[in-house]
Amino acid sequence: DTAVSQTPKYLVTQMGNDKSIKCEQNLGHDTMYWYKQDSKKFLKIMFSYNNKELIINETVPNRFSPKSPDKAHLNLHINSLELGDSAVYFCASSRGLALDYEQYFGPGTRLTVT
Amino acid sequence: AQKVTQAQTEISVVEKEDVTLDCVYETRDTTYYLFWYKQPPSGELVFLIRRNSFDEQNEISGRYSWNFQKSTSSFNFTITASQVVDSAVYFCALSEAEWDTGFQKLVFGTGTRLLVSP
Repeated sequence: DTAVSQTPKYLVTQMGNDKSIKCEQNLGHDTMYWYKQDSKKFLKIMFSYNNKELIINETVPNRFSPKSPDKAHLNLHINSLELGDSAVYFCASSRGLALDYEQYFGPGTRLTVT
Repeated sequence: AQKVTQAQTEISVVEKEDVTLDCVYETRDTTYYLFWYKQPPSGELVFLIRRNSFDEQNEISGRYSWNFQKSTSSFNFTITASQVVDSAVYFCALSEAEWDTGFQKLVFGTGTRLLVSP
């Protein structure tokens, strides 16, 4: 069974569209994250949620809105897509917010905005 | 300022060579954790190791070993007798407390691409 899953794996869309990426974890973790990996492989946190509550919002534009319907899910909705949003988006989860908890990553969603 | 520096962008070695990936970090916290993750060509990120700031013992796991030195703020990763399957991008990451919440924030280095040829 996949621990952290994301759908879709690939997403190609045009500028101005709205799209969503779904993430689910079956590890029983309390904390979930979204990361963005750009074309140079730089990986940066966007959001973290703990027990469905937003903990970190790393100065991400308002066009990005995470939603956590329950502890096992953290979806990412993006409005008015721009060319610069093209990247690989990774969902991750961890047992909690303590510094020593490793994060488990999903397979990534490659978003291409044309 | 870069919190986690991986100065080697890309390293190419031939199978069976030993290779060391460098990681230098910067933090004002006394309690922090360091991680290494592997990103193979398939794209997923795989956790390799965690080390806390109070434990400077080196760690060995099979062909992998890690050298943590607080005095130089470094957490280097060595692969002994490299294999083609080791080809991947390797990320070093620092886990420290976010300034306003106190909760974990994982900051990644820019990664080192390792190419192991037969």
